[in-house]
Amino acid sequence: DVKVTQSSRYLVKRTGEKVFLECVQDMDHENMFWYRQDPGLGLRLIYFSYDVKMKEKGDIPEGYSVSREKKERFSLILESASTNQTSMYLCASSDGDRGNYGYTFGSGTRLTVV
Amino acid sequence: SQQGEEDPQALSIQEGENATMNCSYKTSINNLQWYRQNSGRGLVHLILIRSNEREKHSGRLRVTLDTSKKSSSLLITASRAADTASYFCATVRYGNNRLAFGKGNQVVVIP
Repeated sequence: DVKVTQSSRYLVKRTGEKVFLECVQDMDHENMFWYRQDPGLGLRLIYFSYDVKMKEKGDIPEGYSVSREKKERFSLILESASTNQTSMYLCASSDGDRGNYGYTFGSGTRLTVV
Repeated sequence: SQQGEEDPQALSIQEGENATMNCSYKTSINNLQWYRQNSGRGLVHLILIRSNEREKHSGRLRVTLDTSKKSSSLLITASRAADTASYFCATVRYGNNRLAFGKGNQVVVIP
């Protein structure tokens, strides 16, 4: 069964900490995405990557960075965590011609910044 | 960025009934997709309909797309308690390969 695995289901971090959220997919997908999900706001795209070492900003990249050193792994980095980054973070991947296939999502990481 | 907008926001039905959700969008699209999310979990891809398609079926799911009205509907027939979830539509715009999601529909199926 194909999978997108996010390293943590729940995470609690302190304000100002550097936070790493890891995502690994085993489908050899080219495209990987990070979204955050907040009540009343739906899913918003933070960053995405179409290839190793490539990254592009989504709709809300401020306060975040990403790293894709290997095809299967896409990391989201909160440089200095703030309380307004408390959210559910969802990683996804997709194959081939971008946008023409459904996304496979991980189970999500619920991050609380205190 | 472009977003799908589902309507209604919340739906409560009895097991065995049909559930219908609608989604509208603003600009021309390449395709439209529907996803399901069970409480506190990731999203699961249900079905993708391309802009040149009008209707698509997958099991108990039926999706329609009306590009002239910029709208789509998702019908779940003979609902089950396990269909209780949030349902999201998402669109891919021509020349933009990213999914833009609506805010979701909460569906509760009462056994």
